This record gives sequence, C-alpha cells and structure tokens, in this order.
Amino acid sequence: GQNIDQPTEMTATEGAIVQINCTYQTSGFNGLFWYQQHAGEAPTFLSYNVLDGLEEKGRFSSFLSRSKGYSYLLLKELQMKDSASYLCAVVDSNYQLIWGAGTKLIIKP
Amino acid sequence: DTAVSQTPKYLVTQMGNDKSIKCEQNLGHDTMYWYKQDSKKFLKIMFSYNNKELIINETVPNRFSPKSPDKAHLNLHINSLELGDSAVYFCASSQVSSAGAYNEQFFGPGTRLTVL
Repeated sequence: GQNIDQPTEMTATEGAIVQINCTYQTSGFNGLFWYQQHAGEAPTFLSYNVLDGLEEKGRFSSFLSRSKGYSYLLLKELQMKDSASYLCAVVDSNYQLIWGAGTKLIIKP
Repeated sequence: DTAVSQTPKYLVTQMGNDKSIKCEQNLGHDTMYWYKQDSKKFLKIMFSYNNKELIINETVPNRFSPKSPDKAHLNLHINSLELGDSAVYFCASSQVSSAGAYNEQFFGPGTRLTVL
C-alpha cells in the first residue's frame, strides 16, 4: 500500500527553527509537495521537490532524498503566523497525489 | 478575481437529503479535484477529473457524483446524505500536461457540510 508518515503535532518557540519530517512509501515517485493549511482555511502551496537536495524559498526550505523516501520542511525565524498544519504529499507513478495526515505546528511566544 | 471558488461556504442539512456543491476555477487548468477533510484533518481525494478522464477513489460511496458542465466547473452532488458525510469539502485545480508534468494544486476555500 501507499503510505506517508508525518508527526502529528510539533511545538516550537517564536524566532527558533523547526524541522518537519515526512517519510513515504509509494508506488513510484514523481515529486513531493509541501502545503500549509491554517485552521479553517484551504491548503496553500509551499514547495515542490523532484530531485534530491535542498530547495530554499525565504524562511522556508524543503529537502528531498529519494533513495531514503524522506523529505523535510525547515522553517526558520519562526513567527506566530506560522502556526498551522503542514501537509506532505507525493505524486505517485500514476500521477496521483497521495497526502499525508499533516503535522500541526504550534508556535509559542 | 478568485482563482478557485466554491459555493456554498456552509451547508447544513438533514439526513436523507440530496445536496450539491459548486466549484469554478478561472485559472485555465485542465484538471479539477474534490477532497474531503474530516474532523481529524486528513485530506482524502474523492475524484480527479479532466476533459478526458474521471478517476474515482474506489472508497467513495456512489452517493457522491461529480458533474462537469465544462472545463472550468466541477460540481459535487451528494444523494441520501448521512451523518458521516459531515466534513469540509475542498475543490482544487491544477494543470497536468500531456507529458505528465505535475504542477501544484490550487484549492478553493472549502464547504463545511453539516448533516443533522
């Protein structure tokens, strides 16, 4: 079966750095997405990785290792507005998007 | 100029009723989707549809049916509503090229359905 694992919940302090991990086992791989979802709102796109390595976009970076079936989202200089759920999603060999359950990130002052 | 819009935003109805949720995208995308997000916040794909192919998640009851009058619209019809159908339903769209290149999905604001 297809499986994506993320921690259910994480807590971090304002101004700090947090890393949210995602491991996947899917039938094929055609890329990995990270989305942010604030409570009561729709998911919004953060990043897309298809090759190994780190993609940096401002305070957010996303890393991929295809051989390990592993990705992480790194958030720097945390702000209170970063409190949200972060969803990992993998495109499988049929170009279907397989979603993880999301990681709820709580930022404390 | 909202990219993906859904109506209504809130829908409260009785068990056994039939209801519809509308979705429209003005991004020119070729593929649209319906998702269900339950109280545990797990996002579950229900359907994906482009003008050539409808892909149905086999776990979705046949009480749910997508209807696409044109490329920019994908409506969701639900018959004989049950208590377990209460959830937030998201519409999304993306551009999936013929070469299989995959782009991010843009989500609508969601429709919160409550079945009493």
